[in-house]
Amino acid sequence: ETGVTQTPRHLVMGMTNKKSLKCEQHLGHNAMYWYKQSAKKPLELMFVYSLEERVENNSVPSRFSPECPNSSHLFLHLHTLQPEDSALYLCASSQELGYSYEQYFGPGTRLTVT
Amino acid sequence: QKEVEQNSGPLSVPEGAIASLNCTYSDRGSQSFFWYRQYSGKSPELIMFIYSNGDKEDGRFTAQLNKASQYVSLLIRDSQPSDSATYLCALRGYSSASKIIFGSGTRLSIRP
Repeated sequence: ETGVTQTPRHLVMGMTNKKSLKCEQHLGHNAMYWYKQSAKKPLELMFVYSLEERVENNSVPSRFSPECPNSSHLFLHLHTLQPEDSALYLCASSQELGYSYEQYFGPGTRLTVT
Repeated sequence: QKEVEQNSGPLSVPEGAIASLNCTYSDRGSQSFFWYRQYSGKSPELIMFIYSNGDKEDGRFTAQLNKASQYVSLLIRDSQPSDSATYLCALRGYSSASKIIFGSGTRLSIRP
């Protein structure tokens, strides 16, 4: 799937580091999402943006900070993470918010916190 | 009760047979339903979506929705080894359209 790209694909960081994940969608969509996928657990929705405005924040710790400068780009800024934050972080986009719109996922960033 | 329930598997099906994957959900207000396929180490890929009761067919895949019984299923005909993956059931409600709720997935293994 080249419609949604994510960088980096793999990231190893210490608990005191600050890093950012980047997502870019080339589909002309207006809604973008961050998900966390841990082993043997369902995908967890973290943040939802629609037209650069955050519309959902699912009780995510403040060490995760999203940024959506425009409808094509989404960032997830990371600082002072914990080992349990190690997971696959997936970005997705959809045409609009709304029950009939399916989401398309990027390839994910595999994050390891040491 | 989980919002979306799937049998984690693994579900083992011989090549060429029909694989049947099931999903039940708790929110009667759910309006749209999705099946995603996820290969190990890869991101989910949308296979099917269905909004209305009944069957929806696309190639070897058929999605079945029964809102009264609150279940949705995915049938894969003529199963191929390349169908071996984890299949995620997901749904969206009418009132919280920003949220897609995912099940934990069913791991499907097609044996040659």
